[in-house]
Amino acid sequence: EVQLSESGGGLVQPGGSLRLSCAASGLTFDSYSMTWVRQAPGKGLEWVSIISGSGGTSYYADSVKGRFTISRDNLRSTLYLQMNGLRAEDTAVYFCAKNPSPRIVGRLGYHDYWGQGTLVTVSS
Amino acid sequence: QTVVTQEPALSVSPGETVTLTCGLNSGSVSTTYYPNWYQQTPGQAPRTLIYNTDIRSSGVPDRFSGSILGNKAALTITGAQADDESNYYCLLYIDSGIWMFGGGTKLTVL
Repeated sequence: EVQLSESGGGLVQPGGSLRLSCAASGLTFDSYSMTWVRQAPGKGLEWVSIISGSGGTSYYADSVKGRFTISRDNLRSTLYLQMNGLRAEDTAVYFCAKNPSPRIVGRLGYHDYWGQGTLVTVSS
Repeated sequence: QTVVTQEPALSVSPGETVTLTCGLNSGSVSTTYYPNWYQQTPGQAPRTLIYNTDIRSSGVPDRFSGSILGNKAALTITGAQADDESNYYCLLYIDSGIWMFGGGTKLTVL
């Protein structure tokens, strides 16, 4: 059974940094691209970033480009999101989600498994 | 600035049919946007219902169907049930490795 488990959330001051992790089990991790999605309190879903199965290709939403870095350790079956220059508007639950293919292409951008999320709060 | 549009709220009576739509402020949605639909209840992770316009995800009841209607993607629930009361989000492939969610539709079954 595929399981995704996020960790690393917490309270951080504006301008600070945080690294989120998503531990995966029950799958051959490097066979799948992975996505981060976030949800601000009481708001809708926001697509944040995607990384290919090899880790060689990644893309970001404009709202986080230049501040966030997605990466993965395929030996540890773990996905990461390094968040720098955090702002109040980055406060959200961050979900990791599995894509069905190692490649990043339009028809394969959907998600078949989701984690339960980790809360990031940016506040002084 | 691309914006994916959804009805903020809809209501449906049990047993009736409701259609949720997903559009673009800058043009028409077609199959090349590979529309996906997700269901989410408060406090839970999203659940994938439909991908690539009209393919039901594993375990999704066949009362959920996806299509292109006019210039929008559409999610139709035929014979709505009480536990369909949820928030629904569409996800579109915009371009060059970027995807975008719509603002979501809060569906009430009453």
